Amino acid sequence: GIQVEQSPPDLILQEGANSTLRCNFSDSVNNLQWFHQNPWGQLINLFYIPSGTKQNGRLSATTVATERYSLLYISSSQTTDSGVYFCAVGQRVGSQGNLIFGKGTKLSVKP
Amino acid sequence: DGGITQSPKYLFRKEGQNVTLSCEQNLNHDAMYWYRQDPGQGLRLIYYSQIVNDFQKGDIAEGYSVSREKKESFPLTVTSAQKNPTAFYLCASRPSGRANSYEQYFGPGTRLTVT
Repeated sequence: GIQVEQSPPDLILQEGANSTLRCNFSDSVNNLQWFHQNPWGQLINLFYIPSGTKQNGRLSATTVATERYSLLYISSSQTTDSGVYFCAVGQRVGSQGNLIFGKGTKLSVKP
Repeated sequence: DGGITQSPKYLFRKEGQNVTLSCEQNLNHDAMYWYRQDPGQGLRLIYYSQIVNDFQKGDIAEGYSVSREKKESFPLTVTSAQKNPTAFYLCASRPSGRANSYEQYFGPGTRLTVT
């Protein structure tokens, strides 16, 4: 099955710093989502981005489907950005919309 | 408000007991999913349902059962056959038959502890 790898696994930032999170996947996809899991466990949808670039405030994401990777950019980080960021993909062939998750990047933003 | 609700938020059970986790959505979504998350890990698919009265096993279905009698409800039963049931369980749904129909939305989750 498709493999999803996220890097780095852990990231510690000072408030105000910028960061880039990476998601590599091993096969063609027709769905790619970025999520933020808050300390209470809730998964918050950040981006639905199987290809192209999107921006939402301080966050932006780019997926290069032909090269099988996606990047999540966080600018001017805040302590509320702390948590785990997950990338999840859906496979192109035989997909029922199921998502395959990476193991996440744990982000800690220090004041 | 439209959304996905899961209850209860925390659940404690003794080993050997079956337990049912609730998932309800009022988004009029066709497809619903159950995932399991273990500490420090990503989510893994347990079961999914594309339409009422139909469901399919995911990657880790052993020891679990589901039903889909109504579009808005997709309860998950953790049976005594599940060897390591303690985990965080998340329910999701997505619309179908439209553009961007693969985007999934998640409920708040249920933390199950079995001792």
